[in-house]
Amino acid sequence: DQQVKQNSPSLSVQEGRISILNCDYTNSMFDYFLWYKKYPAEGPTFLISISSIKDKNEDGRFTVFLNKSAKHLSLHIVPSQPGDSAVYFCAAADSGGGADGLTFGKGTHLIIQP
Amino acid sequence: NAGVTQTPKFRILKIGQSMTLQCTQDMNHNYMYWYRQDPGMGLKLIYYSVGAGITDKGEVPNGYNVSRSTTEDFPLRLELAAPSQTSVYFCASSRGGLGNTIYFGEGSWLTVV
Repeated sequence: DQQVKQNSPSLSVQEGRISILNCDYTNSMFDYFLWYKKYPAEGPTFLISISSIKDKNEDGRFTVFLNKSAKHLSLHIVPSQPGDSAVYFCAAADSGGGADGLTFGKGTHLIIQP
Repeated sequence: NAGVTQTPKFRILKIGQSMTLQCTQDMNHNYMYWYRQDPGMGLKLIYYSVGAGITDKGEVPNGYNVSRSTTEDFPLRLELAAPSQTSVYFCASSRGGLGNTIYFGEGSWLTVV
């Protein structure tokens, strides 16, 4: 049973436009959420995070929105650039659950078209 | 700046063979993790450690063992390799606790034939 779901395996966006990547979760104990970016043949790298006490966190071109009642978060990239083409993983954690790492979604492959 | 270093990067194993994936970090992080990623899937936690001498199972520990004798090193041992263990393995580390970023190594591609 997947606790973190990314229902779009891939997403194609034109350069300069907004990319919106979505993520849903089922575990109500999750209270910390992260997005990781992964290029081929490399490890995931941290992009942005949000705590459940917030509903928005912004870092440059990247903004993460959290809707706790809907158990949904999204990552907005504006404007999209060719270097943003990568696989994006949504991840979640339960702060009271000990040190047992993150629960990841399956990822969304973002393709930025020129 | 090395960060998290994994070796080997690629390996082909025969069914029933054993091997150790090495992982070392130079950030003095207490927490270390091993994840695996199967094609089209997210990362799944195999084992983790919150400090030297302390390890615990994650979501998919069967067929693996770990040890943590030093803060820097967290090797993953595969005993009696099976085709189901064909995957990409990622070692990671963090200072510990939420809000502290988990840093990943570049991955080790393992094929069991």
